[in-house]
Amino acid sequence: DTGVSQNPRHKITKRGQNVTFRCDPISEHNRLYWYRQTLGQGPEFLTYFQNEAQLEKSRLLSDRFSAERPKGSFSTLEIQRTEQGDSAMYLCASVGLAGALDTGELFFGEGSRLTVL
Amino acid sequence: AQKVTQAQTEISVVEKEDVTLDCVYETRDTTYYLFWYKQPPSGELVFLIRRNSFDEQNEISGRYSWNFQKSTSSFNFTITASQVVDSAVYFCALSEGGPMKTSYDKVIFGPGTSLSVIP
Repeated sequence: DTGVSQNPRHKITKRGQNVTFRCDPISEHNRLYWYRQTLGQGPEFLTYFQNEAQLEKSRLLSDRFSAERPKGSFSTLEIQRTEQGDSAMYLCASVGLAGALDTGELFFGEGSRLTVL
Repeated sequence: AQKVTQAQTEISVVEKEDVTLDCVYETRDTTYYLFWYKQPPSGELVFLIRRNSFDEQNEISGRYSWNFQKSTSSFNFTITASQVVDSAVYFCALSEGGPMKTSYDKVIFGPGTSLSVIP
């Protein structure tokens, strides 16, 4: 399967614990996005990368959240000291941009569902 | 700042009826991209279409059609002869052109419209 892969698919944790999610984008896709989606809402932008560079981080994202893409391939999203309000589906998406003539489609993974007890 | 509004929260139609999902966007950029995604009950977001701001031609793909009107900042989506399998949440999204104005930046999603097609 060459789609966007996210792990783990489901994480249950206790409040105050740290969690980390991993996203493996489609091979050679240079842009990677993280979103958060809660029930009944649209995906909420968190951050995105161009290769290993983090281009933007949502102002809504607290400093408990950090994302990395160290080698420009897979990415991790870490949440420290989790709170119940962090319970959501965390979505990763990737796209390959071919310069001026890019026709990139943003491909989404199946998401990682976080439940904070 | 960019914003996407989908005023219809929920729509129910009877199978074979046509249905239009509305999308209104706000942006100060002249270069931007508009998207529609489908999220069926299984949860995975499925890409339907991407249009750039320089291409105002309407598009048809099978039972799906899209009407892009810059004058009203709208990018509406019509499903003709709806089917039960069309039941899903549909999201409209907007991305402003990136620094090079040739690729898109962060993609902002609207709140979605939940479509139920009743047999």
